[in-house]
Amino acid sequence: SAVISQKPSRDICQRGTSLTIQCQVDSQVTMMFWYRQQPGQSLTLIATANQGSEATYESGFVIDKFPISRPNLTFSTLTVSNMSPEDSSIYLCSVVPDGWYGYTFGSGTRLTVV
Amino acid sequence: AQKITQTQPGMFVQEKEAVTLDCTYDTSDQSYGLFWYKQPSSGEMIFLIYQGSYDEQNATEGRYSLNFQKARKSANLVISASQLGDSAMYFCAAKAMKTSYDKVIFGPGTSLSVIP
Repeated sequence: SAVISQKPSRDICQRGTSLTIQCQVDSQVTMMFWYRQQPGQSLTLIATANQGSEATYESGFVIDKFPISRPNLTFSTLTVSNMSPEDSSIYLCSVVPDGWYGYTFGSGTRLTVV
Repeated sequence: AQKITQTQPGMFVQEKEAVTLDCTYDTSDQSYGLFWYKQPSSGEMIFLIYQGSYDEQNATEGRYSLNFQKARKSANLVISASQLGDSAMYFCAAKAMKTSYDKVIFGPGTSLSVIP
């Protein structure tokens, strides 16, 4: 299955600033998925990113807050903009490798906003 | 829409004993997949086991097995011979198999603690 390198692994940020999270996959994949996991909660899908098109956002998530780029079939970024303490979460990218059904996840970014 | 229920927020098991983590799902799809993931305190999500809705045999992967009861919409994870490293959050998840765009839906998770 695919191997995903996600950076940074953790960060502590000031409120009002932005953080960009990167995911690099070792093979070409059609779709990449971005998830948020708030403390003590399950995973919630933020958006689905296809190469060459606008990301599709889930209810409750907007592009101005979570802009996503997908410049090619192996790379994507998620930006968390104008951060507040409520954005403190683990952010995870994932892909569905060709020939398989489930997700392979990056190692996650643990974000703390102070 | 799919929904995953995990009724055990926390579980304890003695080292070397077996443990069953419960999962029930609600879906109207005929073709779907069921997954279990492990999340250690580091935060990464580790795939454990997969069961397709049309698979006749229960899935097994080393010490992990999935007790699939389709009529009851149940997909319990059984971990045999628990180890201290099994202490983690465990998430049951489901996905319709209609298109590659179908999303994976996660349950609320069960926290497993293995006692020496």
